[in-house]
Amino acid sequence: AQRVTQPEKLLSVFKGAPVELKCNYSYSGSPELFWYVQYSRQRLQLLLRHISRESIKGFTADLNKGETSFHLKKPFAQEEDSAMYYCALNPPSGAGSYQLTFGKGTKLSVIP
Amino acid sequence: NAGVMQNPRHLVRRRGQEARLRCSPMKGHSHVYWYRQLPEEGLKFMVYLQKENIIDESGMPKERFSAEFPKEGPSILRIQQVVRGDSAAYFCASSPTGLTEAFFGQGTRLTVV
Repeated sequence: AQRVTQPEKLLSVFKGAPVELKCNYSYSGSPELFWYVQYSRQRLQLLLRHISRESIKGFTADLNKGETSFHLKKPFAQEEDSAMYYCALNPPSGAGSYQLTFGKGTKLSVIP
Repeated sequence: NAGVMQNPRHLVRRRGQEARLRCSPMKGHSHVYWYRQLPEEGLKFMVYLQKENIIDESGMPKERFSAEFPKEGPSILRIQQVVRGDSAAYFCASSPTGLTEAFFGQGTRLTVV
């Protein structure tokens, strides 16, 4: 069964400090991995997907198949980064749908 | 494009009543997903629908829950005879095809009293 684990429920960092939000997954195959973000009172929105290998709002995430991890990183945290972050997994696109398995989320709090 | 619209945003029902949650997908989107988020948990997939068809309902509880996406109008998630354990946030997402990014609504928070 597929599973996504985000070990930290809450992560507090000071403004300007590096941020790393951890995500580990279990899936027998090559899934798609995503990071979603939910700012206060806003809807869940896609932040990153591993296949695009891009940097959004200074965040990057590298898929490590050996460690089955997809940690989210940013070198210098900003106050506006404070939000709830969810790691999610989708079976390979050949499965024909977008049925995501989410982790429980990590609340990032950036202290001014 | 107004985005995925869910209503109501908050819904309170007494045990035994019915709950109807509505989801209007983004314009041009014919694929709808419903997810449930229980307190302190991640979102869990419930059902995947296209217009007039249920494609995958593997995440739906076997009893009391049903979903539809008619040719006209919003997708409806219906919960009959609600119980306290149904209290959760229910999210809808839509995509133009089943293989591209799905956009989420703001969710409906159901409270069963």
